[in-house]
Amino acid sequence: AQTIHQWPVAEIKAVGSPLSLGCTIKGKSSPNLYWYWQATGGTLQQLFYSITVGQVESVVQLNLSASRPKDDQFILSTEKLLLSHSGFYLCAWSPYWGEYAEQFFGPGTRLTVL
Amino acid sequence: AQRVTQVQPTGSSQWGEEVTLDCSYETSEYFYRIFWYRQLFSGEMVFLIYQPSFDTQNQRSGRYSVVFQKSFKSISLVISASQPEDSGTYFCALSELKGTNTGKLTFGDGTVLTVKP
Repeated sequence: AQTIHQWPVAEIKAVGSPLSLGCTIKGKSSPNLYWYWQATGGTLQQLFYSITVGQVESVVQLNLSASRPKDDQFILSTEKLLLSHSGFYLCAWSPYWGEYAEQFFGPGTRLTVL
Repeated sequence: AQRVTQVQPTGSSQWGEEVTLDCSYETSEYFYRIFWYRQLFSGEMVFLIYQPSFDTQNQRSGRYSVVFQKSFKSISLVISASQPEDSGTYFCALSELKGTNTGKLTFGDGTVLTVKP
């Protein structure tokens, strides 16, 4: 069975500080990976997607970047946090490419920027 | 352009009742899927069911089913025999099949459902 793990569970950071959030998928080789952001009480917005190691595409520009250093790992980062980065970050995976498959989400990371 | 609308910000039911949550969407693509997810109070998103655009049959999975009205671009999630554990926020999401599929999901604003014991 596939499992998806996100770290950390929660972060409280200062404006202007760096950030790194991680996501790991186990039990599935070459998954398609996604990062989503959700403002408190809001809807989900896709930020990045990746279909293979080293390849990441941006969907929305929020002064964030993403990388996929390993097949099973997806990293979201920024060098300078903004207040607007606060919210809930979700990593997701799907088993297929070229189809519009269902996506399975991780437990999420709650970020508070002060 | 893709757009998903959930006009009910909140909903409620009593234990054992059937619940219907509505969603409408905009798309210019012929092939697409509509997904339903439930967000737990912890924030975790749980996949419930999906409806392919080319399938005229309403999909069903356990206590979840959908009523798909393609010509009206609307779809409803029906939860039978609702239980307090079904409480949470329900999201409708659209994924279009295009030449270069990015797997983009466009989500609605969600409906917060409360099932009372």
